[in-house]
Formats: sequence, C-alpha cells, structure tokens
Amino acid sequence: AQTVTQSQPEMSVQEAETVTLSCTYDTSESDYYLFWYKQPPSRQMILVIRQEAYKQQNATENRFSVNFQKAAKSFSLKISDSQLGDAAMYFCAKGEGGSEKLVFGKGTKLTVNP
Amino acid sequence: DGGITQSPKYLFRKEGQNVTLSCEQNLNHDAMYWYRQDPGQGLRLIYYSQIVNDFQKGDIAEGYSVSREKKESFPLTVTSAQKNPTAFYLCASSQRGSSYEQYFGPGTRLTVT
Repeated sequence: AQTVTQSQPEMSVQEAETVTLSCTYDTSESDYYLFWYKQPPSRQMILVIRQEAYKQQNATENRFSVNFQKAAKSFSLKISDSQLGDAAMYFCAKGEGGSEKLVFGKGTKLTVNP
Repeated sequence: DGGITQSPKYLFRKEGQNVTLSCEQNLNHDAMYWYRQDPGQGLRLIYYSQIVNDFQKGDIAEGYSVSREKKESFPLTVTSAQKNPTAFYLCASSQRGSSYEQYFGPGTRLTVT
C-alpha cells in the first residue's frame, strides 16, 4: 500500500511569518496528483492546493505554494504571511492511480501565534 | 448551491445498536467515499463507490456496510460488529476521470456509549 508521511505532528508560526509543512510519499507511478487539505476547528475539509506530478512548475495559490521534488518524492507546503485563520490541521494526500482513491498523511497541526 | 450534506452533525447511540449516517451530494459526481477520522490517525478509508450499485471496501471496512442505490446518496451503516465506533465520519465525492480532487461534507460525530 502506498503511504504518505507527514513528519511534523505539530508546528507553530508567528503571525505574518512563513512556515513550511513537510510531506513525503512513496509511489512507483510516474503521473499522479498531490494535494494539501486544510481542516480548521470546524472540521470542514478544504482543498488548499493541488499539484500534478507531470508539471514541473510548483503550484501556487495566493499565500500558499508548494515545493514539489519528484525525484525525492517530497511535497512541502509553504504558507507566507501567516494569518490567524491559517490555524488548522493540514493533511497531505496523494491520488492512488487507477482507483481514484486518495491516501492521506496523518496531518500536521499548525498553530499561529499573534 | 452544490455541495455535500451529512446529517446529523452529532449522533448518539447505545452500544449494540446499528446506526446509519447519511451522505447526499448534488454535485453530479460519480464517486463517493466514507472516511473515519480519529485523533492522530488522519483520514482512513472505510468504503468507496465509483458508480451506482457498486462499491469497494477501503482499509477499515470491518463492522461497516454501505449501499449506493442512487448517484447522489451513499449512506453508511455502523453495525454492532464495529468494536470502536465512536469517531468523526467524513463523506466525500469526486468526479471520475478528473484530478482525484475530493469534495468533503461537514462530517458526523458519532458517539456510542
């Protein structure tokens, strides 16, 4: 079974600073999708950003960007100018080829300090 | 507005009773999923369905059952055989042939005592 690993159970950042959340995965596929989801205290899962493996350019959505290193099987999320509303659990996920399932990491709890 | 609804938000049951969690979507998505979320465990897949009248077991299907009689509905039954049913349950859907992006409902917190 494929695995997605988030090595940081908890992270904290000062408001307006930048933080990077780590994610690694295993796969034998050459083309696949990677995602970062945010789960705030309301527990609603929200898609933050998506990356297609065949695209070399790193995805960016406003203050959120990724560092996708395909050879290293690494997919980190960078949050710039952190805001109090960014405080949440963040889950990294990978699409599992053929089945259309997602495999999730165990999450990183991000705290934003004022 | 298109989206996924799960009801109720909180559900309480006595041990030994079966309970059914509702999930409805009006996104016209073909695929639907059920996840269980426990503290420190992330999301674990219980069952998924890629098409009406067909579904597959996920990683932790024991003690659960599902049906997919309509495209928009994918109810999950937590049976008395599930040893630790207290958890947060999330339903999701996706469009087949897309980027695997899943859209999630608000979740149901089930407490069994």
